[in-house]
Amino acid sequence: KAGVTQTPRYLIKTRGQQVTLSCSPISGHRSVSWYQQTPGQGLQFLFEYFSETQRNKGNFPGRFSGRQFSNSRSEMNVSTLELGDSALYLCASSFNTGNTEAFFGQGTRLTVV
Amino acid sequence: DAKTTQPPSMDCAEGRAANLPCNHSTISGNEYVYWYRQIHSQGPQYIIHGLKNNETNEMASLIITEDRKSSTLILPHATLRDTAVYYCIVRDGNFNKFYFGSGTKLNVKP
Repeated sequence: KAGVTQTPRYLIKTRGQQVTLSCSPISGHRSVSWYQQTPGQGLQFLFEYFSETQRNKGNFPGRFSGRQFSNSRSEMNVSTLELGDSALYLCASSFNTGNTEAFFGQGTRLTVV
Repeated sequence: DAKTTQPPSMDCAEGRAANLPCNHSTISGNEYVYWYRQIHSQGPQYIIHGLKNNETNEMASLIITEDRKSSTLILPHATLRDTAVYYCIVRDGNFNKFYFGSGTKLNVKP
């Protein structure tokens, strides 16, 4: 069974640009969550999608957005990039809520210059 | 969401059991205790989770106190490959979001 796949693995962007990251969950999983990891703030929850609907949102500005497609694949977008957006972006796939585990991808390392 | 408190670092000798404590004194009835670990900025790896009963799988055991205010993750025979940051997380059973704290850096030494 394939794991969670995130693309690309590494990305370098310039301040002011926008970026789109992709996450393919484990087959059959309908929930996808996104996290940002930085040395200063650690792992922080961005948002969660389930059946194409955003179910939960963390405390991030509106420049961070996402969506989920009918095949459960998810994308997150960051507009008007800032230097502070440099981070490891992780997505986690889960069957549903409740007594289930979530599996993380290897992440996308975004560097903003 | 309930918060967790973990020691910032711990050492363990290779082959010995590693016991990682976690305090979650404000946990509520429908919140689960999850443990993940992260090695070298890879994606966090699921280890184990539980609600109130002790749990065991091929990787570890989870001991939750009767009042559910604290728990201990036990790696029965630590190896050098178990060196990682271990996160104890309390998760609301109705939501798929994890609040990661600072974790415990486990150093397994030969």
